[in-house]
Amino acid sequence: GEDVEQSLFLSVREGDSSVINCTYTDSSSTYLYWYKQEPGAGLQLLTYIFSNMDMKQDQRLTVLLNKKDKHLSLRIADTQTGDSAIYFCAETGYSTLTFGKGTMLLVSP
Amino acid sequence: GAVVSQHPSRVICKSGTSVKIECRSLDFQATTMFWYRQFPKKSLMLMATSNEGSKATYEQGVEKDKFLINHASLTLSTLTVTSAHPEDSSFYICSARDPPSGSYEQYFGPGTRLTVT
Repeated sequence: GEDVEQSLFLSVREGDSSVINCTYTDSSSTYLYWYKQEPGAGLQLLTYIFSNMDMKQDQRLTVLLNKKDKHLSLRIADTQTGDSAIYFCAETGYSTLTFGKGTMLLVSP
Repeated sequence: GAVVSQHPSRVICKSGTSVKIECRSLDFQATTMFWYRQFPKKSLMLMATSNEGSKATYEQGVEKDKFLINHASLTLSTLTVTSAHPEDSSFYICSARDPPSGSYEQYFGPGTRLTVT
């Protein structure tokens, strides 16, 4: 089946930029998403990018998509302690979402 | 944005009993709802896809007689865990799609923590 891979852990200092990377295998992916999950909570949609785009910026968030390499990244500028959470990338063709295992982002003061 | 609620947020039940979890789309009509299960330190596992008014489509390895899904209206889907066992303890999350938008965004509920004793 289709696969989405992420690094499991990232630690940064407050104020630094964070970059979370994701690779996927489905060449028919239409939308790619980034979700944030805080402890004990559901998933919050942060942003998404359509597959014919290569960049999307939304305030502190920048999504870069390299469709040729099937590589997606999420950059969080000026990372805050409140950004500490698990970040999931996900992709969809025309139906269900396939998630990565999530990257735990730990922001230290 | 679209809001999805789940009830209850936490439930503890005894082995052998059944538990029903509700998923509601509050401000949009969701013709398609999804049920996920999340294991500790693992990704979300899609259990089933339910379309309003029709039978749910279960993923391979998910027992449809154990995890009963009903999607009787455009705003409500229910997951019933029948004859629960401790290994069913998990975090269950539903999501719903807002088809009129034309995109494929899914909006997630806050999740239900099920503990079977």
